[in-house]
Amino acid sequence: GAVVSQHPSWVICKSGTSVKIECRSLDFQATTMFWYRQFPKQSLMLMATSNEGSKATYEQGVEKDKFLINHASLTLSTLTVTSAHPEDSSFYICSASTGSTGNNSPLHFGNGTRLTVT
Amino acid sequence: AQTVTQSQPEMSVQEAETVTLSCTYDTSESDYYLFWYKQPPSRQMILVIRQEAYKQQNATENRFSVNFQKAAKSFSLKISDSQLGDAAMYFCAYWGGDKIIFGKGTRLHILP
Repeated sequence: GAVVSQHPSWVICKSGTSVKIECRSLDFQATTMFWYRQFPKQSLMLMATSNEGSKATYEQGVEKDKFLINHASLTLSTLTVTSAHPEDSSFYICSASTGSTGNNSPLHFGNGTRLTVT
Repeated sequence: AQTVTQSQPEMSVQEAETVTLSCTYDTSESDYYLFWYKQPPSRQMILVIRQEAYKQQNATENRFSVNFQKAAKSFSLKISDSQLGDAAMYFCAYWGGDKIIFGKGTRLHILP
């Protein structure tokens, strides 16, 4: 089945630094990748949608200069949290779409990254 | 805009019993997909079951089945013979072709 690898799974950084999270589709080409943020005991909130080779589309209220998303290839998307602050601490999940619903989920999820900013 | 509503923040069920999780949604589209995802403590998102809106037959996957009422925009999940491993957050989700919208989730507790 389709596998999405998200790295790192856990990261601690100091306030003011930047953190990059990678999302790779290992055995398929992801035309679209999505980035979600999940606060404790809450649902997944879509942050942005990225298509290979084009600028990401950000959801309302998400700062595009703070959460930089790059989708340079069909198998890799990155989310960079710039000048991180403690309020950016959260669980970030990526998902990749093949563009077809097939017989399963249209989205294949990474295992998430827990970011803690001190 | 599409919305997904899960009105039960938490539910509990005795092991081996049956439980139903509720979900309603709103859309003006006629062609879409609905999903139930499970998120255990590991936080991995696991697809439980999916339903195509154009299919009248309710989807079934082993102990999991749905009651899809398109006119009422209702999509409930029934878990039969509940097992301890079913304890998790369950998210109802709507896919209209461009992105998935999730409900707020229902935390399911299994009582031994």
